[in-house]
Amino acid sequence: ETGVTQTPRHLVMGMTNKKSLKCEQHLGHNAMYWYKQSAKKPLELMFVYSLEERVENNSVPSRFSPECPNSSHLFLHLHTLQPEDSALYLCASSQGVGRGSYNEQFFGPGTRLTVL
Amino acid sequence: QKEVEQNSGPLSVPEGAIASLNCTYSDRGSQSFFWYRQYSGKSPELIMFIYSNGDKEDGRFTAQLNKASQYVSLLIRDSQPSDSATYLCAVNPSNAGGTSYGKLTFGQGTILTVHP
Repeated sequence: ETGVTQTPRHLVMGMTNKKSLKCEQHLGHNAMYWYKQSAKKPLELMFVYSLEERVENNSVPSRFSPECPNSSHLFLHLHTLQPEDSALYLCASSQGVGRGSYNEQFFGPGTRLTVL
Repeated sequence: QKEVEQNSGPLSVPEGAIASLNCTYSDRGSQSFFWYRQYSGKSPELIMFIYSNGDKEDGRFTAQLNKASQYVSLLIRDSQPSDSATYLCAVNPSNAGGTSYGKLTFGQGTILTVHP
């Protein structure tokens, strides 16, 4: 596997279900991100992890719970979601080496989530 | 004012023409600037990044940066139908410069259509 992978690619869940999204990066990067992309809206940054520590949480509802067990893996745990949470969820990673880094981010293929 | 602003388009150009995509940003201290291409139903793919004023060329793509005007653009020469996609401008804001990761702020994207 190369780059950034995400599973599952598609997920349909009811409002009472609990599910998890998985992201894995094979680039040796230190920073990982979760984004939400809804139709006709800019990418919304949800969470940032740097060296396995959460460094940013952009007012995301508690029904979304991230987990970063190591620098290569990132999870997004979902529970009691709402239909408006239906979107494309993208994971990305970057080198994250500090001041002056250009920090280009590389994206996984995304998980298309539908909440019924 | 939006942090990163792009004309949503659609921008329609004939095959073989030059497509010009523009982006303005509000944070004067922003350090680096990125262009991503996103095909429908796919994740964003990094095309180019630029950090110094002036032009940067890569094949048919040229990124142009003018920090005084807070403006970055992407030119696509000899446009092809396969270039039809949404182009996202992303900016590494100044408050991320001192951190160990690289937060990006995205514009909403410009839809480009290249017709034969």
